[in-house]
Amino acid sequence: AQTVTQSQPEMSVQEAETVTLSCTYDTSESDYYLFWYKQPPSRQMILVIRQEAYKQQNATENRFSVNFQKAAKSFSLKISDSQLGDAAMYFCASLTQGGSEKLVFGKGTKLTVNP
Amino acid sequence: ETGVTQTPRHLVMGMTNKKSLKCEQHLGHNAMYWYKQSAKKPLELMFVYNFKEQTENNSVPSRFSPECPNSSHLFLHLHTLQPEDSALYLCASSQGGTGKAEQYFGPGTRLTVT
Repeated sequence: AQTVTQSQPEMSVQEAETVTLSCTYDTSESDYYLFWYKQPPSRQMILVIRQEAYKQQNATENRFSVNFQKAAKSFSLKISDSQLGDAAMYFCASLTQGGSEKLVFGKGTKLTVNP
Repeated sequence: ETGVTQTPRHLVMGMTNKKSLKCEQHLGHNAMYWYKQSAKKPLELMFVYNFKEQTENNSVPSRFSPECPNSSHLFLHLHTLQPEDSALYLCASSQGGTGKAEQYFGPGTRLTVT
């Protein structure tokens, strides 16, 4: 069974600075996908970034990037130049290929951005 | 907006009531999902539908009854709920079958059972 662990229930960052959110996962699959989702106070869950496990290159989306360490089963999210609009719950999730496509989520990290 | 809508956004119901949650996706996806989000717990997958067929029932009590009449619509029928069923219920859709497609979420229905 897959598990996803986010060890930081809450994090805070100053506006314009950089913050890293941690995520570890456990899976016996060799082919899987990892995601970071953002859930602002408005509650709409939005995909931030995705990473295919077979790709060694870390995914990047504008100010968001990941540090994917496959051997360590670590998938952290780095937010650069933090903005007030980045304040939200951030969920790490994994998905294995084939069959019912079940996303397994971590408990989330609440990010506060201080002006 | 993610292309997935949910109604109602808020619902308060008594334990003896019957109500339904509705989800609609405008993305041409073929897989739809119901999740339950409770405070301080990870999102819990409830049901998965691929091409209108239920492919996953994650040990959900029978007081929750899903219905998927077509690939664009998903319902969750509720009856004789318990206070512990109060939560945010999220619907999602994806282009299933590829194993790599991300899921797009609706805004959720905040359910309170009194």
